[in-house]
Amino acid sequence: GQNIDQPTEMTATEGAIVQINCTYQTSGFNGLFWYQQHAGEAPTFLSYNVLDGLEEKGRFSSFLSRSKGYSYLLLKELQMKDSASYLCAVTDSNYQLIWGAGTKLIIKP
Amino acid sequence: GAVVSQHPSRVICKSGTSVKIECRSLDFQATTMFWYRQFPKKSLMLMATSNEGSKATYEQGVEKDKFLINHASLTLSTLTVTSAHPEDSSFYICSARDGAGGHETQYFGPGTRLLVL
Repeated sequence: GQNIDQPTEMTATEGAIVQINCTYQTSGFNGLFWYQQHAGEAPTFLSYNVLDGLEEKGRFSSFLSRSKGYSYLLLKELQMKDSASYLCAVTDSNYQLIWGAGTKLIIKP
Repeated sequence: GAVVSQHPSRVICKSGTSVKIECRSLDFQATTMFWYRQFPKKSLMLMATSNEGSKATYEQGVEKDKFLINHASLTLSTLTVTSAHPEDSSFYICSARDGAGGHETQYFGPGTRLLVL
């Protein structure tokens, strides 16, 4: 079956760095996405990785290792507004998005 | 980035009525749009894939006669919840696939919160 695992909840301190991990087992792979979702709102696109390596975009970076079926989202200089759920999603061989359950990130002052 | 709009953002209706939700891609053409449903504190659940000019593909367990999807143009897909009941109350989110730029990204609408009384 297809499976995406990410931690249910993480807590971090304002100004610090946090890494949210995602491991996946899917039938084929055509890219991995990270989305941010604030409570009561729709997800917003953060990043896309299809090749191995690190993609940096401002305070957020996303890393992919296809051989390990592993990705992480790195958030630097955490701000209170970063408190949200972070969703990992993989596009399989049929270009269907398979979703993780999301990681709720709590930022403390 | 690409923008997807969704209307209405919130709707309250009586049991037995039908509700139509519109999803529009504002600055790109989307041959494929997706409809999701999300229950509180749960991940997104794909309901159906909407393809312009053809019938939607429904996920297992989703009643196609209850959730009518029409993708009439490259920028508009509609979801109609027919004869809505309280158990249909949920957060409905659409997304549109943008294939430009060499990779396909899904951009989400803001969602529609449906409450059936």
